[in-house]
Amino acid sequence: AQKVTQAQTEISVVEKEDVTLDCVYETRDTTYYLFWYKQPPSGELVFLIRRNSFDEQNEISGRYSWNFQKSTSSFNFTITASQVVDSAVYFCALYNQAGTALIFGKGTTLSVSS
Amino acid sequence: EPEVTQTPSHQVTQMGQEVILRCVPISNHLYFYWYRQILGQKVEFLVSFYNNEISEKSEIFDDQFSVERPDGSNFTLKIRSTKLEDSAMYFCASSESSGGYYEQYFGPGTRLTVT
Repeated sequence: AQKVTQAQTEISVVEKEDVTLDCVYETRDTTYYLFWYKQPPSGELVFLIRRNSFDEQNEISGRYSWNFQKSTSSFNFTITASQVVDSAVYFCALYNQAGTALIFGKGTTLSVSS
Repeated sequence: EPEVTQTPSHQVTQMGQEVILRCVPISNHLYFYWYRQILGQKVEFLVSFYNNEISEKSEIFDDQFSVERPDGSNFTLKIRSTKLEDSAMYFCASSESSGGYYEQYFGPGTRLTVT
């Protein structure tokens, strides 16, 4: 069975703090993809990053960075120097090559105050 | 930049009524999807569609749901007899092909309220 767990339901930080959102996944497959999506208050789903199971390199994009560790089945997301505009629900998702569905975690609500 | 569009943005219907949610996928995309998100909960996969057939469906996608590509541009989700628990945000998505390499592009969603 495939599953994505985001244990942190809500996180509140003050602007400029760094914050890490955790994601742990379960799959029996050797080929899979992991995603992060952002859902701002307006409700749309915004793609942030995709990572395949064969690429464990960490990635940095501006203030965002992702740490993929197969040994712990984790794909964590860090926002450096958070801003109020980062306030949103963040979803981690798993895609299994054998299917077509994205399996989402329950999401982490991030609130950044000024 | 091409985008997935959905209409209406908000639909209110009475229990037992039929609703059709409409989506226009990105024009060169071949795979289409519906997901739903009950308020405050996670996004859940409903169905994927390719070559005028359902590729995969979840347990949620029971006989009251159906999908169709009635013409070359629209992709629809029909709920035959709505229930209160169908109230949710419904997202349409499309991708060039299947496989995680191909990003699923999501539309802005249709909020369905069943009263």
